[in-house]
Amino acid sequence: GAVVSQHPSWVICKSGTSVKIECRSLDFQATTMFWYRQFPKQSLMLMATSNEGSKATYEQGVEKDKFLINHASLTLSTLTVTSAHPEDSSFYICSARDSAENTEAFFGQGTRLTVV
Amino acid sequence: QQQVKQSPQSLIVQKGGISIINCAYENTAFDYFPWYQQFPGKGPALLIAIRPDVSEKKEGRFTISFNKSAKQFSLHIMDSQPGDSATYFCAASDSWGKLQFGAGTQVVVTP
Repeated sequence: GAVVSQHPSWVICKSGTSVKIECRSLDFQATTMFWYRQFPKQSLMLMATSNEGSKATYEQGVEKDKFLINHASLTLSTLTVTSAHPEDSSFYICSARDSAENTEAFFGQGTRLTVV
Repeated sequence: QQQVKQSPQSLIVQKGGISIINCAYENTAFDYFPWYQQFPGKGPALLIAIRPDVSEKKEGRFTISFNKSAKQFSLHIMDSQPGDSATYFCAASDSWGKLQFGAGTQVVVTP
């Protein structure tokens, strides 16, 4: 199957700082990428959908000014958590889809963010 | 508001037994129903998926049963092994590809 790589796997940052998480499709071009957040022992909650070259579409309740998403190329999307606070500590996971015709999405390995 | 309802929350099964997880949905626009397996600290991995024009799909020890009229689908894991111990998520998406996940089922397979 197609490979999606996330970096870093884990990160610890101080409260008030910003953190960038990268999501790369290694062997296909991702027309659409999705960002999810998962709290311990809970399900994945979709945060936003991004299409290459256009602004991300955020789900209701997700602050777009806090979670900046950039999808500048067909193989890279980034999520920046700005002015992070302890309540932003979570597992962030991206997925990528290679075309509008193919519904299957391939997931990255996730990034564990801890804000202290 | 969870668009896909999943049960049970957890289940314990003996090695060699059958694990059954059920999901239900309301949105008739959903046309793709995947199941994911997730180990702690890892991203979810696609196990098997089905579309509503098929009532059953089998891949190895994993089978999806789909009931379009009842808007329900289920995952059966045959001959469960300790390595199958993980959290399983059902999901559903429409043509836009946005996945809505169930709450997850933690499966423990005892030796």
